[in-house]
Amino acid sequence: SYVLTQPPSVSVAPGKTARITCGGNNIGSQGVHWYQQRPGQAPVLAISYDSDRPSGIPERFSGSKSGNTATLTISRVEAGDEADYYCQVWDRSSDHYVFGSGTKVTVL
Amino acid sequence: QVQLVQSGAEVKKPGSSVKVSCKASGDTFSSHTITWVRQAPGQGLEWMGRVIPMFGTVKYAQNVRGRVTITADESTSTAYLELSSLRSEDTAMYYCASSLGAASDFDNWGQGTLVTVSS
Repeated sequence: SYVLTQPPSVSVAPGKTARITCGGNNIGSQGVHWYQQRPGQAPVLAISYDSDRPSGIPERFSGSKSGNTATLTISRVEAGDEADYYCQVWDRSSDHYVFGSGTKVTVL
Repeated sequence: QVQLVQSGAEVKKPGSSVKVSCKASGDTFSSHTITWVRQAPGQGLEWMGRVIPMFGTVKYAQNVRGRVTITADESTSTAYLELSSLRSEDTAMYYCASSLGAASDFDNWGQGTLVTVSS
């Protein structure tokens, strides 16, 4: 089955930039979506189709992809960005959806 | 845009079944795909399956296949997740989410339903 690999945690100082990676075989050919989940809350779509930002998501959030890795970048990190972040793709071959294991972002 | 409201928390005995509902409003129910995702305490998100209400077609994740049934009632704009032969490992928050196509993102989520399996 298809696997997406994320680092378990990323720590960043306020005002700095956080980068969260998501690796997967042939991920370049698939749309990658990112979700933010604050403690005790449902996930919220943060980035869709690699780099599209839904309305209501700050411009500080951006997405990119290169080779077999997608990256979510949070610029000028704020305390409110502290959350778990998940990448997700649709595995075309199995018609299944796959989530990465999640990355906990800690603001120092 | 669609809003999703789920049924309330459940406490179930091992071996029993649970049925969780997800009522949609605000947009055409049939034009969306409804997906179910669960999250065990302290763990990540796990895709369970999805239904396309317009066609009634379903797809299930392998790890719950045989125990899970996902249905949709277009007349009430409600999707359902039923999980049988419950085990303690099924204790989790269960979320429904909507999308507009196979490769699409999950742009709206329900508030979650906590299912606790305990003797």
